Amino acid sequence: SAVISQKPSRDICQRGTSLTIQCQVDSQVTMMFWYRQQPGQSLTLIATANQGSEATYESGFVIDKFPISRPNLTFSTLTVSNMSPEDSSIYLCSVEMLAGEKNTYEQYFGPGTRLTVT
Amino acid sequence: AQSVTQPDIHITVSEGASLELRCNYSYGATPYLFWYVQSPGQGLQLLLKYFSGDTLVQGIKGFEAEFKRSQSSFNLRKPSVHWSDAAEYFCAVGLSNDYKLSFGAGTTVTVRA
Repeated sequence: SAVISQKPSRDICQRGTSLTIQCQVDSQVTMMFWYRQQPGQSLTLIATANQGSEATYESGFVIDKFPISRPNLTFSTLTVSNMSPEDSSIYLCSVEMLAGEKNTYEQYFGPGTRLTVT
Repeated sequence: AQSVTQPDIHITVSEGASLELRCNYSYGATPYLFWYVQSPGQGLQLLLKYFSGDTLVQGIKGFEAEFKRSQSSFNLRKPSVHWSDAAEYFCAVGLSNDYKLSFGAGTTVTVRA
C-alpha cells in the first residue's frame, strides 16, 4: 500500500484567486491521478499525471483551469485557477500501485483537500 | 457507454444486522471491480477488489463481494454491521488496459443502535 498526504487539508478562498494543492506519496509511483468530489457527489477524474510527461485531462477539464505538475515520482500538485463557487469540492489525489497476492493494480487515495470558494 | 450504477442512495441498517450494497456495471469486457469506503471527512479506503478467479472475494473489515457475470453485478455484503461501518460506499470499475476508474454515485449507510 501507500501512504499519501495532501496539503492543505482544507481552505476557504475568494473567487478569482488560485489554490495549489500538494500530494506527497511515501514511495515512488508512476501513475498519479487527481479527482474532484463535488458536494454530495461521486468522484470524477480530472486528469492523469505521469512523471516526465504532460498530464492527460478528462473531458470537461482543461489545463488552463487545472494545471498539474509532476516533478518526480513521489510528488504532484494540482492548481485550481481563477476559482468560482462552483469549484467548491473535495480534491483527491490517488496513486496506482501493484499489490496483493495476484500482483494486480490498486489505487490508493489521499485524505483529500476540502475547498470552499466564497 | 460504460457506466456504474449503485441503485441505493441511502440504506439504514440496525447494528448487528446484515448489509448488502448493490453495484451494477455496463462494460464491453470483464472489468476490474472495486469497493471503497469513505468515512466522514476521510479519504477513500479500498475494501476489496476483483480481477479474476474466485468470484467471491474477501476484503477488510469483514466485508465480502460476489462477482456475477450473468447479472453484471458486484454486490458488497457484511453479515453483521458495526456502528463504525456508517459511511459512504463507492463501487468502482476499471478496465485491464486502462488504469482509470469510473465510480458509482455511492451509497450512504446509516447504522442505528
